[in-house]
Amino acid sequence: DTEVTQTPKHLVMGMTNKKSLKCEQHMGHRAMYWYKQKAKKPPELMFVYSYEKLSINESVPSRFSPECPNSSLLNLHLHALQPEDSALYLCASSHTGDGYTFGSGTRLTVV
Amino acid sequence: QKEVEQNSGPLSVPEGAIASLNCTYSDRGSQSFFWYRQYSGKSPELIMSIYSNGDKEDGRFTAQLNKASQYVSLLIRDSQPSDSATYLCAVYSSASKIIFGSGTRLSIRP
Repeated sequence: DTEVTQTPKHLVMGMTNKKSLKCEQHMGHRAMYWYKQKAKKPPELMFVYSYEKLSINESVPSRFSPECPNSSLLNLHLHALQPEDSALYLCASSHTGDGYTFGSGTRLTVV
Repeated sequence: QKEVEQNSGPLSVPEGAIASLNCTYSDRGSQSFFWYRQYSGKSPELIMSIYSNGDKEDGRFTAQLNKASQYVSLLIRDSQPSDSATYLCAVYSSASKIIFGSGTRLSIRP
């Protein structure tokens, strides 16, 4: 299995909603990542988990809350988002120092 | 100075020609370098990794690295319309994270 699976593919949520994005990989990678990408911009790092521990938080607002339940799963909990948070959210995984394998992303729209 | 710099393009290349994409980086401690291809509305796909000075070839793709000049490039030979995409240069920095350049839009004209 050489894939990173993200669900859902599309999500529309209101500003008062709570939702979660899910990511799963079975490649034995011990590093997992959340990125945010706006149109015509490069991916922007949000969080890094290494061996199931949060190692990097790029000063992301607390309305985004990551969770790594085990070495294969990564969640991003969303609460009280703003319309400007609408973007493509990408999960990735890798062996440390290697290139990342990205999932297909969740296209999030906040209304 | 941006950490990873690329010309945003668009770079227009005739079908069958060589496309040359360039990237410079600022962190001299960087050890790993990557090229990703991203089609519109899709996620980035890793197409080349390079770790040491010189050239690395994989099919129609050649990555070139010069650490002294802090320069990475990607050559695409026999360019095809399906190569039209945004190409992201990425550098694994000394801060243990990958930094992406802003990407170069490549258009292959028939």
